[in-house]
Formats: sequence, C-alpha cells, structure tokens
Amino acid sequence: QKEVEQNSGPLSVPEGAIASLNCTYSDRVSQSFFWYRQYSGKSPELIMSIYSNGDKEDGRFTAQLNKASQYVSLLIRDSQPSDSATYLCAVLSGSARQLTFGSGTQLTVLP
Amino acid sequence: DTEVTQTPKHLVMGMTNKKSLKCEQHMGHRAMYWYKQKAKKPPELMFVYSYEKLSINESVPSRFSPECPNSSLLNLHLHALQPEDSALYLCASSQESQGAYEQFFGPGTRLTVL
Repeated sequence: QKEVEQNSGPLSVPEGAIASLNCTYSDRVSQSFFWYRQYSGKSPELIMSIYSNGDKEDGRFTAQLNKASQYVSLLIRDSQPSDSATYLCAVLSGSARQLTFGSGTQLTVLP
Repeated sequence: DTEVTQTPKHLVMGMTNKKSLKCEQHMGHRAMYWYKQKAKKPPELMFVYSYEKLSINESVPSRFSPECPNSSLLNLHLHALQPEDSALYLCASSQESQGAYEQFFGPGTRLTVL
C-alpha cells in the first residue's frame, strides 16, 4: 500500500513568516512529486512539481526533495493571508503513474 | 493555457435520475482522470483514460460509467446514485509524455444526491 503522510495540522503562522509543510512517502520508486493548494470549496491547484533531489524555487515557494529519506517539503516565504488554504502533497507512483495524495495540511496565515 | 473545464458546476439529483458530468481540455493532454473528493479528504482516483482508452478503474461501482468520446472530452454518466455519492467530482488531465506528468484539475462539479 503506497502511503503519503503529511504533518498533521492545522498550522498557523503570522503574516510574513516562513510556513514549512512536510511530507513523507513509502514507495521508494516514486519519481515525481507535487504540491497542490486547495482553497475551501475549490479544486486543487498545482503550485510546485519536483523531480530531482535538492531545492526548486518559484517565487515565494521552495520545494525540497530528498529521495534517500523519502521526504519532500514545501516552504512558503513571506506568508500572506491569501496563502491560507489546504496544501496537498502528491506522489506519482513509478509504474501505474497514479497520484497518491496525502491527507493535506491546513495552513492559516494570521494578519 | 492550463485550463480544464467542467459542467455543470452544481448538480442536484434524485436516486432514480440519470445525469452526466462533462469535462473538456484543449491542452493536447493524452491522459484524463476522474476523482471524487469528500469534505476534508484528499481526492480519490476513480478512473484514468490514457490515449482515449480506459486504463484504470479503481473498483468504482457500476452506477458510475465513464466515457471518453475523444482526446479532449471526458464524461461521467451517473445512474441510481446513493446519498453517500454526494461529493465534489473533479476532472484532471496530464500530458503523459517524458518528464511531464503534472495533473491539472478542473473546477469540479458539486454533486448532491437526494
């Protein structure tokens, strides 16, 4: 059973702080990793994809991948109240190419 | 353009009704997906079409029937649903070529079964 675990929330950070979201996965052959943001009542929106070990930066977002530790994280710098949402970690399995989602972490950025 | 469209946005149906959900993408993506999402849960995969062929059916009850008329369109036919089928139904698509496996979601159809 392929599993994706996310740090339990909810997570609250003050405006301007760094929000750190973590995710571990069980399938060692996974090659593709994604972070989705989902506002209440809306559909998931892809915000980051990462395929190689190391960091990938896009604006205020940085994804980090460590395949040896089976760990992927998302850092949000200079958090804004508009970042308040549920963040879903998703891992693509190697063979079937099915996305397995974590349960999500609810982030609240306090003004 | 990373847009997937879904119609209708909201649907209320009785347990004896037959209805269809529609999904369209014009990104040239070759894989399309149906997911079901209940409140405060992650999306659950229902079906995958790859190059217009059904490649994955996650043991979904037969009251849900998918159809892929062409590479841009995906339908989900609904018949004799139960109240517990009420959920947000999400369509997604992906390019399915080397190194491009990002899935892009449509806005979803909010389904209520009475």
